[in-house]
Amino acid sequence: QQPVQSPQAVILREGEDAVINCSSSKALYSVHWYRQKHGEAPVFLMILLKGGEQKGHEKISASFNEKKQQSSLYLTASQLSYSGTYFCGTETTTDSWGKLQFGAGTQVVVTP
Amino acid sequence: ETGVTQTPRHLVMGMTNKKSLKCEQHLGHNAMYWYKQSAKKPLELMFVYSLEERVENNSVPSRFSPECPNSSHLFLHLHTLQPEDSALYLCASSPGLAGVEQFFGPGTRLTVL
Repeated sequence: QQPVQSPQAVILREGEDAVINCSSSKALYSVHWYRQKHGEAPVFLMILLKGGEQKGHEKISASFNEKKQQSSLYLTASQLSYSGTYFCGTETTTDSWGKLQFGAGTQVVVTP
Repeated sequence: ETGVTQTPRHLVMGMTNKKSLKCEQHLGHNAMYWYKQSAKKPLELMFVYSLEERVENNSVPSRFSPECPNSSHLFLHLHTLQPEDSALYLCASSPGLAGVEQFFGPGTRLTVL
């Protein structure tokens, strides 16, 4: 079953912060975060593993709440380059590994 | 060439045609994937290969036939497709299966007339 992402879209001004959530109805082994710009391939941002630490990539960080089966992606002091669609992909402990289920995506637009 | 490459980048085909999509990874990975990305839909996993063995066929219609002759190459053979199969087909590779980053290719934009 696919994870649920929220919000569907967010518009930010440069320098503002945003949070994107990814929730699963199943226990999670890992959560992957990718960003896809229009007409381009998805680009990996980070993976959070069960029992692992919060990760960060420049001013983008993420957390993983195993009890809530949820991950959040934090965009801090957003830059124009952060615009794109953000997808979470999950691997669950009840399914075989490597078979990512992706959320519908969150479209992020950062304006000057 | 570096990373994951896909050819062709664009393909238009009729419903009675047979065509193939090609994916090549230059990363030394041993797992490869086919995904379908339709407008306003989540990325949809189609097939997973690990060490050239298919480990997942995610209820994909038989008009899509994958082939993995070696760990660097992955094909998707297409025949008698339907207009609703029009989508972006993405290939990805990873160094293993569990909890590792997947590297995506640029995709093939397929249009079925």
